[in-house]
Amino acid sequence: SQQGEEDPQALSIQEGENATMNCSYKTSINNLQWYRQNSGRGLVHLILIRSNEREKHSGRLRVTLDTSKKSSSLLITASRAADTASYFCATVYAGGTSYGKLTFGQGTILTVHP
Amino acid sequence: ETGVTQTPRHLVMGMTNKKSLKCEQHLGHNAMYWYKQSAKKPLELMFVYNFKEQTENNSVPSRFSPECPNSSHLFLHLHTLQPEDSALYLCASSQLWEVEGYTFGSGTRLTVV
Repeated sequence: SQQGEEDPQALSIQEGENATMNCSYKTSINNLQWYRQNSGRGLVHLILIRSNEREKHSGRLRVTLDTSKKSSSLLITASRAADTASYFCATVYAGGTSYGKLTFGQGTILTVHP
Repeated sequence: ETGVTQTPRHLVMGMTNKKSLKCEQHLGHNAMYWYKQSAKKPLELMFVYNFKEQTENNSVPSRFSPECPNSSHLFLHLHTLQPEDSALYLCASSQLWEVEGYTFGSGTRLTVV
């Protein structure tokens, strides 16, 4: 299995602080994506980073990718109470019949206290 | 709304019932997916359809039967389910060959009693 594994499983911070979540995976990837899920709802795509990229920014989000360590991190700066959600990393396998399929990790539950 | 619409939002069914979940997208995507999300488990890919042809069945029990009549619509027919099948069922769509983010629907919360 090349499922990503997020760390930590749960993170609780105060509004205004930064939140960092990590993801590890097992096999070569085409790209890695981060998603957000509010309680009981669908997932929302946040950001995608390709295997030949090392860092990417989108608003308050910063994603890094280290393919040598098979790991990625998601940083949310200046967090807000509205950022409270579950965050998932997902990988797209680099080849074979798994092309185009997303494989998800178990997620990090982020709670931002006002 | 994300562009992927799932109905119903909630469904309670008995173990002997037959019901169907519906998913619809008008994003022009050519791949559609069913995922199952159970408590304390990673999202599990159930089925993949590319250009309305099923290309993946991840050892899903036959009591789940997908149908994709065209590239915009996807159904999941349910019959003789078990209580352990209670979960959030998520539909998603994407472009197949230019893999970007998936667009997910809001899901159907299924409870089997």
